Amino acid sequence: AQSVSQHNHHVILSEAASLELGCNYSYGGTVNLFWYVQYPGQHLQLLLKYFSGDPLVKGIKGFEAEFIKSKFSFNLRKPSVQWSDTAEYFCAVYNFNKFYFGSGTKLNVKP
Amino acid sequence: NAGVTQTPKFQVLKTGQSMTLQCAQDMNHEYMSWYRQDPGMGLRLIHYSVGAGITDQGEVPNGYNVSRSTTEDFPLRLLSAAPSQTSVYFCASSYSSGESARTQYFGPGTRLLVL
Repeated sequence: AQSVSQHNHHVILSEAASLELGCNYSYGGTVNLFWYVQYPGQHLQLLLKYFSGDPLVKGIKGFEAEFIKSKFSFNLRKPSVQWSDTAEYFCAVYNFNKFYFGSGTKLNVKP
Repeated sequence: NAGVTQTPKFQVLKTGQSMTLQCAQDMNHEYMSWYRQDPGMGLRLIHYSVGAGITDQGEVPNGYNVSRSTTEDFPLRLLSAAPSQTSVYFCASSYSSGESARTQYFGPGTRLLVL
């Protein structure tokens, strides 16, 4: 079965710092890749997704992610974080009708 | 559009009791799924459905049942609740094809405590 690893469990940054959250998956075939965000007290919502094509994908709120097939990775980046980015971030992989989520990364942005 | 709705928001059960968590969506999505979210473990897929009348198991199906008699509804049944089923449960739905395929919309969650 597919597994998804998020190595950073808790990240603390100051406003304006750059962010990179790691995500690695295990299955090497065709996959769809996602990043979701869960703001405190809110539903999970989609940040961005990759199905095919340009491996650098842009999402909402200035987030982007890069798909590197050779490394089975789909890392999330943001050049300059804001206090409002404080949330939990989940990487997810879809294949064979199932979604697999990573354990999540809690991001705390200090004002 | 109400999106994905879940009831109840919070439930306390005793060990051995059964209950049904309700999930409904009004977006005509083919794909629906149930997850449980536990601290440090992310979301784990319990069961999913690719259309009315079709369901299949996810990663952690034991102790749970589902059915999908309509496109809109996808209830999750706990057969005999155990403390290990204490968790937050999320329902999600998405299209199966097209540009929006597999962009899941999540419900607000149900917090379940089993004593």
